[in-house]
Amino acid sequence: QKEVEQDPGPLSVPEGAIVSLNCTYSNSAFQYFMWYRQYSRKGPELLMYTYSSGNKEDGRFTAQVDKSSKYISLFIRDSQPSDSATYLCGQWGTYKYIFGTGTRLKVLA
Amino acid sequence: GAVVSQHPSRVICKSGTSVKIECRSLDFQATTMFWYRQFPKQSLMLMATSNEGSKATYEQGVEKDKFLINHASLTLSTLTVTSAHPEDSSFYICSARRGESQPQHFGDGTRLSIL
Repeated sequence: QKEVEQDPGPLSVPEGAIVSLNCTYSNSAFQYFMWYRQYSRKGPELLMYTYSSGNKEDGRFTAQVDKSSKYISLFIRDSQPSDSATYLCGQWGTYKYIFGTGTRLKVLA
Repeated sequence: GAVVSQHPSRVICKSGTSVKIECRSLDFQATTMFWYRQFPKQSLMLMATSNEGSKATYEQGVEKDKFLINHASLTLSTLTVTSAHPEDSSFYICSARRGESQPQHFGDGTRLSIL
């Protein structure tokens, strides 16, 4: 079992849709959770990170952690074609960062 | 912001050449820098972790004599691929973090092609 799992996609949605991206994790010791966006041939860009559980909102993006079910979620409202990218979830502790394999998102104009 | 600059972005060279890739944190001091390799449509594969002034810690299966890492200052780390061969062709990405409770910030990667 991978430590962080996410569906590779691709996930195709029409422009303006609400997108829900999800991950599951297995290591309960790590308290920080993160989401990165990676465009083709570029390095990952940090979108958001949270400590412990709960929600965090930044513009059209909302990150959510449910520690009871070990679920990490990213919601994108009013999705745009420019949101088309691969989204990496993950968690980290003092000495280790664990990334999921990424979900490819395509927002169709 | 937290900007990490990686250079060069693209390298094409002949087999047997050594290639150096630089990673700089432009607006913060990085206590730790990381080097990753990424194959097409796959996730990040951690190669090594480096702390300023000390030797890098390599992941299992990564040849330290092949991939030389130097972290000479709090803003600069370099990865040298020595005597590169076609199988070393890949996308190499560095990242840096301010401290243990901080996320990583990534450079834009270096696409290395060995002919």
